[in-house]
Amino acid sequence: KAGVTQTPRYLIKTRGQQVTLSCSPISGHRSVSWYQQTPGQGLQFLFEYFSETQRNKGNFPGRFSGRQFSNSRSEMNVSTLELGDSALYLCASSFPGTGPGAFFGQGTRLTVV
Amino acid sequence: DQQVKQNSPSLSVQEGRISILNCDYTNSMFDYFLWYKKYPAEGPTFLISISSIKDKNEDGRFTVFLNKSAKHLSLHIVPSQPGDSAVYFCAARAGGTSYGKLTFGQGTILTVHP
Repeated sequence: KAGVTQTPRYLIKTRGQQVTLSCSPISGHRSVSWYQQTPGQGLQFLFEYFSETQRNKGNFPGRFSGRQFSNSRSEMNVSTLELGDSALYLCASSFPGTGPGAFFGQGTRLTVV
Repeated sequence: DQQVKQNSPSLSVQEGRISILNCDYTNSMFDYFLWYKKYPAEGPTFLISISSIKDKNEDGRFTVFLNKSAKHLSLHIVPSQPGDSAVYFCAARAGGTSYGKLTFGQGTILTVHP
């Protein structure tokens, strides 16, 4: 079974631009969550989608948004990028009923210059 | 408000000995606790979890202990191997439909010396 796939792996953007990151969950997994990892703040929850609906949301500004498609693939978007948005963005998928261990992708390293 | 805390930023252990990683939490609504291992520039890898109704869970060299009254959990790795060197994160999940919402600690860097 293929794991969680995130694209692209690396991205460099300029302050003020917007960016879209993509995540393909493990086949059959319907829950997709996004996390931001920075050296200062650690791993922080952004939002979770289940069956195309946002089910949970973390404490991030409205510039961070996401969506999930009918095939469970998910995208997250960050608009008006700031230098502080530079981070490793991680996507995780899970399937209710199989245990709480979420499976993570390798992440997208976003650098804002 | 940091609901999950790993107070030791780093731990150094000799190969073959026991590694004990600690984690404290404050939210009584957490119903599952998980440990992840992470290498730089990679996603976390799930290691082991424990339900809040249990006090111990074992999987090979990894054992997690939960002390609900103290709101404390620990991960024991026996015996430790150099390949275990990584950052270890403790995470917790509140009940209900929050399958994908995990609250993470800050991580502990484990170094296992040959």
